[in-house]
Amino acid sequence: EAGVTQFPSHSVIEKGQTVTLRCDPISGHDNLYWYRRVMGKEIKFLLHFVKESKQDESGMPNNRFLAERTGGTYSTLKVQPAELEDSGVYFCASSHLRRGNTGELFFGEGSRLTVL
Amino acid sequence: GQQVMQIPQYQHVQEGEDFTTYCNSSTTLSNIQWYKQRPGGHPVFLIQLVKSGEVKKQKRLTFQFGEAKKNSSLHITATQTTDVGTYFCAGTPVGRGGSNYKLTFGKGTLLTVNP
Repeated sequence: EAGVTQFPSHSVIEKGQTVTLRCDPISGHDNLYWYRRVMGKEIKFLLHFVKESKQDESGMPNNRFLAERTGGTYSTLKVQPAELEDSGVYFCASSHLRRGNTGELFFGEGSRLTVL
Repeated sequence: GQQVMQIPQYQHVQEGEDFTTYCNSSTTLSNIQWYKQRPGGHPVFLIQLVKSGEVKKQKRLTFQFGEAKKNSSLHITATQTTDVGTYFCAGTPVGRGGSNYKLTFGKGTLLTVNP
């Protein structure tokens, strides 16, 4: 079974440019999450999709960030325009849709974004 | 908002020594998960603890969840070079229906092992 895949693995852009990150979750996983780790800090929640619906986007830093999940399959996270503080590793994770205290998150390898 | 503090930030040990990382939440947790991230890799799920006072073992790893469900620890006995990586705790606060979404992560403990 293929794991969570993310693309690109590394992106270097200049301030003001646009970047789009893509995540393909594990097939059959309805839950999809985006997390971000800025260097030296904790992994922070950005948002959560259940199928194609945004369940919680309270972690999104500001309106320069836009996440979509077309058809409830893959997801994209667009940063436009990028700022220096957006640099970090963006992790996508997926999990089964289950009730109760349960479920591990399956993380992708991450997309490292460097804004110069 | 909820905070999860994790200490120490770094730990360097000689191979064969024991290692412990501690996690403390500002609020009561519904459950806590532990992840390991190898250098250059991604977080990989290790375990989930749900019950107050729960203790679980995986070979040389022992995980504990505090009685008040606000703290947790991971102890590794007789470390090996394969244990190298960053260990993260991540909690779900009470009141979210036990859902594992919106985990709050600690900053992680980077473990290095001298062979």
